[in-house]
Parts: sequence; C-alpha cells; structure tokens
Amino acid sequence: DAKTTQPNSMESNEEEPVHLPCNHSTISGTDYIHWYRQLPSQGPEYVIHGLTSNVNNRMASLAIAEDRKSSTLILHRATLRDAAVYYCILRSAKETSGSRLTFGEGTQLTVNP
Amino acid sequence: NAGVMQNPRHLVRRRGQEARLRCSPMKGHSHVYWYRQLPEEGLKFMVYLQKENIIDESGMPKERFSAEFPKEGPSILRIQQVVRGDSAAYFCASSPHQGPAEKLFFGSGTQLSVL
Repeated sequence: DAKTTQPNSMESNEEEPVHLPCNHSTISGTDYIHWYRQLPSQGPEYVIHGLTSNVNNRMASLAIAEDRKSSTLILHRATLRDAAVYYCILRSAKETSGSRLTFGEGTQLTVNP
Repeated sequence: NAGVMQNPRHLVRRRGQEARLRCSPMKGHSHVYWYRQLPEEGLKFMVYLQKENIIDESGMPKERFSAEFPKEGPSILRIQQVVRGDSAAYFCASSPHQGPAEKLFFGSGTQLSVL
C-alpha cells in the first residue's frame, strides 16, 4: 500500500481555518485520497475523499496538488468539536488490498478556545 | 437510517473466557470490516467480510480469532480464550459496495477489557 506522511500534531484557534497537510509521494494513478477523523472515545468518521480535483463538502475541503503527491484538508472555521486525530489514507483500486483502509498515525489536532 | 450498531459497548472477560462482539451494519450494506485499536496505538485492520464470505483476513491473528457475517443477523467477531493483550477497542465498519471511492461508516466500538 502506498504510504502517507502527516505531522504528528497541529494546533489551531477556534473559528480560524486549519490546513492539515499530507504527503503521498508514491501514490499511484488510481489511488483515491481519503480523510477520516477520530474524536476521543469514538469510531472513525468519514470526512472527505477525492481523486484528482479539489473537493468540497459540508465538513471540509480537500485540495489536491497537481502532481497528486500531496494534499491538504481544510477546515474553514475550526470549532472545539473538531479536535480529533485526522487520518489521510490512500485507497487503492486493487480488489483485496484496496478494500481495507490502512490507518497511519494521523495528525492530532488541538483547537484552542 | 440507523448507523452501524455495535454491542456490547463494553465487555469484561476473565482470561480464558470467550468474547463475542456483534456488529449490525447499516441497512443495505453488505460489506463489513473489523478493526482493533490497542491502548495508545493506531487502528489496525483485522478482517473484511461480504455476506457469508471472508474476503480479506490478512490482519487477523492466526489463532483464537474468527469472524463471520451470516446471511441473516449481525457480523460476529469471536475471540476464544482471551488474554490480557486482547484488551482493546474493536471497531466495525460497513459500506454498501466495494471500491476505492467507497466511504466506510464506523460504529462506536466495543471496549474489551480482559481481567
């Protein structure tokens, strides 16, 4: 599976934008970029995913570099409830290995009031 | 539409007992995944099942662990003769289809404590 690299931790202030980076230099042409987050004592929660184009949804935006070797998850206005571990995951089109999500260490986001 | 339901939420077992963890996927979802999260560690894939079939069990320990997803009823993760090292949070996820663009929906997990 192609690997992703994320900072261990980041801090933000409430109501400010947050940009969470992810490097995936070994991404293949058919790998989708997924973001999930895990709040304390809860299961992971889907945030957003994309292939080549930037994506927006009600939770966040995903900016994908032109060469696809990196991406950035953007939370437009962080709230205290956004404090979580954020995982950037590549999902392959391969039939078996691509079926599972392989979680790395993720980025622990702290939001200061 | 109810989310992925896992029960029990907390399960306490003594060493040597059996643990059965249940997962009811979202309605219409035929793909189920089990993950384990040891204390202070990341989420590790265990097994992927599609109705009555195990598709990928590459993350399952070779002994004592088994999983099933019968035609009717929830998916079951079974741990025989539990040991203290099995204490962890076990998460189940489901999806309606298989593919790299599919979202997974996770349950709230079962916290297993082995005394």
